[in-house]
This record gives sequence, structure tokens and C-alpha cells, in this order.
Amino acid sequence: DAMVIQNPRYQVTQFGKPVTLSCSQTLNHNVMYWYQQKSSQAPKLLFHYYDKDFNNEADTPDNFQSRRPNTSFCFLDIRSPGLGDAAMYLCATSRKGTSGPAYNEQFFGPGTRLTVL
Amino acid sequence: GQQVMQIPQYQHVQEGEDFTTYCNSSTTLSNIQWYKQRPGGHPVFLIQLVKSGEVKKQKRLTFQFGEAKKNSSLHITATQTTDVGTYFCARGGGADGLTFGKGTHLIIQP
Repeated sequence: DAMVIQNPRYQVTQFGKPVTLSCSQTLNHNVMYWYQQKSSQAPKLLFHYYDKDFNNEADTPDNFQSRRPNTSFCFLDIRSPGLGDAAMYLCATSRKGTSGPAYNEQFFGPGTRLTVL
Repeated sequence: GQQVMQIPQYQHVQEGEDFTTYCNSSTTLSNIQWYKQRPGGHPVFLIQLVKSGEVKKQKRLTFQFGEAKKNSSLHITATQTTDVGTYFCARGGGADGLTFGKGTHLIIQP
């Protein structure tokens, strides 16, 4: 089944120790997103890739970086995690065409829950 | 993206009662999407509305988009325990990412 996969599902890191979260998709979607979701809050967009074009949200801290080496994979790097970065990190994908609907549904992965000690 | 306001934040209902959540924007929306997130789960797409005054139904769920495209609602008729979760409205999508409302947490008492 086509899907969005996130690894690991749970990640524990130490304050200040770099961590990388990964996302892969078998949907062949050209747009991939990273959202941060804290407890009982809505997902908040961090950044996204439209094909190879990186789009950073204005209020995303520099501590967060992303890489998309190919269509299927996208990584979220947190260079120096702080206690406030503990959250669920959700990867999502969608297809954006040159014609047809401007907006399409997003498919979310199961998320990676990050704990910072 | 500009915010969408969603109310109520929490809603307790008895099983079998109806439920409605509302989403409002100060500016005209190009579209509105609705997602459901079960406890411990991830958001799952329910529907997208793009036309002024649009009404769409999915079994017991009714989605409306206001005439001015500044508000939307989700109504569930005769709630069941499987309806438990958080319902989010969201604007945008496509190549721009989604801006979510704060969500309405639906709690159902048997």
C-alpha cells in the first residue's frame, strides 16, 4: 500500500545533541512537508519542499534544517535540541500539478515523538 | 499563512447527540480542508471545500462553506464512540502547506 513512513516512531535525545528524523513516501508526491505538533495543539508547518525547492516558514528557528535527497525521502535535522523542541514531528505529502486543483489533500505519516532530556 | 479561528476548543456530548465545530477567517478563503486526528494518531484528511456556499456530506458528517468563503462548519449527526478525536479545519495546502485551526476536541460519553 502506498504510504508515508516515518522513522523512528520514538526518539530520545539529550539537550544539545543533534538528531535526525526521517520520512519516506511511496506515493510519488512532489511536495513534502514537516510539521511540529505539541501536546493538545494544532500541527504547525516548519517547512516544505516542492520538488527540490525548499520553502522555509518565516518563524521556523534556524535550529531546524531539512534535506530532500530524492523524491521519496525527506529528513528533519535538529542541530541543537532544546527542551522546548520536544514534540510530535509529522511528515506529510501531497501532489501539486501544473494544472488541476491548486490545493490537494495531504497525507500524513504516523509521526516521530521526540523527547529531549 | 493567516490564522483560522476554530470553536469550540472542547466539546463533550452524550453518545447519540449531534456535534458541530466552526471555523472562521477574517479574510476570504480560497479553500478549506478538514482533518480528523484520533487520540495518539495523525491527521487524516476528511474533505476539501472550494466553492461559495458548498455543502458536502459523508454519511453522518455534513460540511459547509459559507457564502462569503470566510467560515466553514462540520456537523456530525448522532455521534458514535468512533467519532472521538480532534477535528481541525485548515486553509491552504498544495505547494504552500496548511495553516490549521486550533482544533475541536470531541469527547463522547457513553
